[in-house]
Amino acid sequence: AQSVTQLDSQVPVFEEAPVELRCNYSSSVSVYLFWYVQYPNQGLQLLLKYLSGSTLVESINGFEAEFNKSQTSFHLRKPSVHIRDTAEYFCGRRGGKLIFGQGTELSVKP
Amino acid sequence: DGGITQSPKYLFRKEGQNVTLSCEQNLNHDAMYWYRQDPGQGLRLIYYSQIVNDFQKGDIAEGYSVSREKKESFPLTVTSAQKNPTAFYLCASSAGQYNSPLHFGNGTRLTVT
Repeated sequence: AQSVTQLDSQVPVFEEAPVELRCNYSSSVSVYLFWYVQYPNQGLQLLLKYLSGSTLVESINGFEAEFNKSQTSFHLRKPSVHIRDTAEYFCGRRGGKLIFGQGTELSVKP
Repeated sequence: DGGITQSPKYLFRKEGQNVTLSCEQNLNHDAMYWYRQDPGQGLRLIYYSQIVNDFQKGDIAEGYSVSREKKESFPLTVTSAQKNPTAFYLCASSAGQYNSPLHFGNGTRLTVT
């Protein structure tokens, strides 16, 4: 069965430090991958997506993710985080229905 | 603006009562979904519908029911058979293509006592 694994449930980091949120997926012929962000008591917002083409995808607020087929990974990175990035982040893969990882809580401290 | 509206934001019910959560979209999307979110468990799919008048069970459908009589609407009923109904419920929609991302509403927090 298809699956998505987020390797860290919580990631505490200081403001302006770099961060990586890790995501691995089960291998498949066609892979469509997404990262969503959820602020407290809100729905999920699409952060970025990989459908095909360039393996490095970027969002408008400085996050990027790299699709690595050999390692079946789609890790999310940001070189310098802000307090406002504090949220829960979900990795997902599409293949019919959308399957999510368990989520990673990013906590940015001043 | 196009989007997904879930109402109400907070809902309180007594044990043994059925309750219906509303989800409306004006994105002209074919597919709609209901997820349940519990702390530490991520999102779990309850039901989804890819076209009007058709829907399929997700991973945790027991104790829930849905209808899809209109393209814009996909209400979820939490029945008294659902053993642990207190949770955050999220509705989503997508264009229906195999690789389309989902668009989410802001959720309904249901508390059953």
